[in-house]
Amino acid sequence: EAQVTQNPRYLITVTGKKLTVTCSQNMNHEYMSWYRQDPGLGLRQIYYSMNVEVTDKGDVPEGYKVSRKEKRNFPLILESPSPNQTSLYFCASSLKGPGGLGPIGEQYFGPGTRLTVT
Amino acid sequence: QKEVEQNSGPLSVPEGAIASLNCTYSDRGSQSFFWYRQYSGKSPELIMSIYSNGDKEDGRFTAQLNKASQYVSLLIRDSQPSDSATYLCAVNGNTGNQFYFGTGTSLTVIP
Repeated sequence: EAQVTQNPRYLITVTGKKLTVTCSQNMNHEYMSWYRQDPGLGLRQIYYSMNVEVTDKGDVPEGYKVSRKEKRNFPLILESPSPNQTSLYFCASSLKGPGGLGPIGEQYFGPGTRLTVT
Repeated sequence: QKEVEQNSGPLSVPEGAIASLNCTYSDRGSQSFFWYRQYSGKSPELIMSIYSNGDKEDGRFTAQLNKASQYVSLLIRDSQPSDSATYLCAVNGNTGNQFYFGTGTSLTVIP
């Protein structure tokens, strides 16, 4: 089954304790992205990756790191989480970047990770 | 100015009616436009994409794009209670590599 998976689905942690949220896709997609969703603010892009070893900042990258060592995986790293990073996080992937016309730019989302930082 | 703007709603329509959802975007260089549906507590699900001016129909859904007015809309015909969800408009940025989402419009279809 074609899918994007994220782990963990729920996480409660304390300020300053490093954590990693994993994201994996099995569709051989080149483009992967992380979003956070907050009430009233909608989905905001944190980082995206056009392909292996190619990553770039989205709108809200502060406090986050990413890496893309393999095509299928795109982990999100919070080196020193703070309470303002409490949010619902989504990973997404598409065959190509969103600028590509047609289905190659259509993104598919993982199930989400609800993170609480106390 | 936000990249993508939507009325947050809530929008309520009776079952069987047409629901009309609207979205405006600020970047004239945007080329790809998407509508996602998100049920409460779930991840966004792609329902329509549109790339050229005019209408695109898929079943009960019709997406409309007007690049001159920087306006995208989604019509849902014969609305069903199962259509009750938040609808997100998404647009690619001028560089083509970033995605911008609106804050979503909450739709309730009343049986």
